[in-house]
Amino acid sequence: GQSLEQPSEVTAVEGAIVQINCTYQTSGFYGLSWYQQHDGGAPTFLSYNALDGLEETGRFSSFLSRSDSYGYLLLQELQMKDSASYFCAGPYNQGGKLIFGQGTELSVKP
Amino acid sequence: DSGVTQTPKHLITATGQRVTLRCSPRSGDLSVYWYQQSLDQGLQFLIQYYNGEERAKGNILERFSAQQFPDLHSELNLSSLELGDSALYFCASSVGELAGYADTQYFGPGTRLTVL
Repeated sequence: GQSLEQPSEVTAVEGAIVQINCTYQTSGFYGLSWYQQHDGGAPTFLSYNALDGLEETGRFSSFLSRSDSYGYLLLQELQMKDSASYFCAGPYNQGGKLIFGQGTELSVKP
Repeated sequence: DSGVTQTPKHLITATGQRVTLRCSPRSGDLSVYWYQQSLDQGLQFLIQYYNGEERAKGNILERFSAQQFPDLHSELNLSSLELGDSALYFCASSVGELAGYADTQYFGPGTRLTVL
């Protein structure tokens, strides 16, 4: 099958670190993307992992373990503006088709 | 601003009607994707076109159709509309036809469709 699972919501305080996990079914899967979406806005690309390991982009890092069918997005030094929904998404072997998880709503409290 | 444009921004119509959503990809991008986002279904892939040809298909209803024109803009046609079709419809574009790192998908601002 083709599905990705992530927690529905996470709450953290400003300045803290938060990790959003994503597990996926492996059939046809070959990489993991992360997108951020503010309320009603366009999803914006954050990162992509094709290989196992950690990818770092500023305050955001993303990790993939293909043997565990698992990945996560790590957000450091949280800011209020990081309050948004975060989606993991998997490209599967069908053109550019992206399958999205249901999204994790992150609330950053002062 | 991703460089992907979508019109209209909002659309309100009645059940049974037909509407057309329009998308212009980023300059240089050959792939266009359509996604539907509703509260209970999340972001659902509908269809992909690459350089005018259909490349991948999701769970797109038979009442929905799309095409990509020679100038690479795309239109999504929704007919015999039902209340359940109310959703945000996003268009995305990428350079190539696969979904790997080199082909990051950039999303437009979306069209909010309300069916009354």
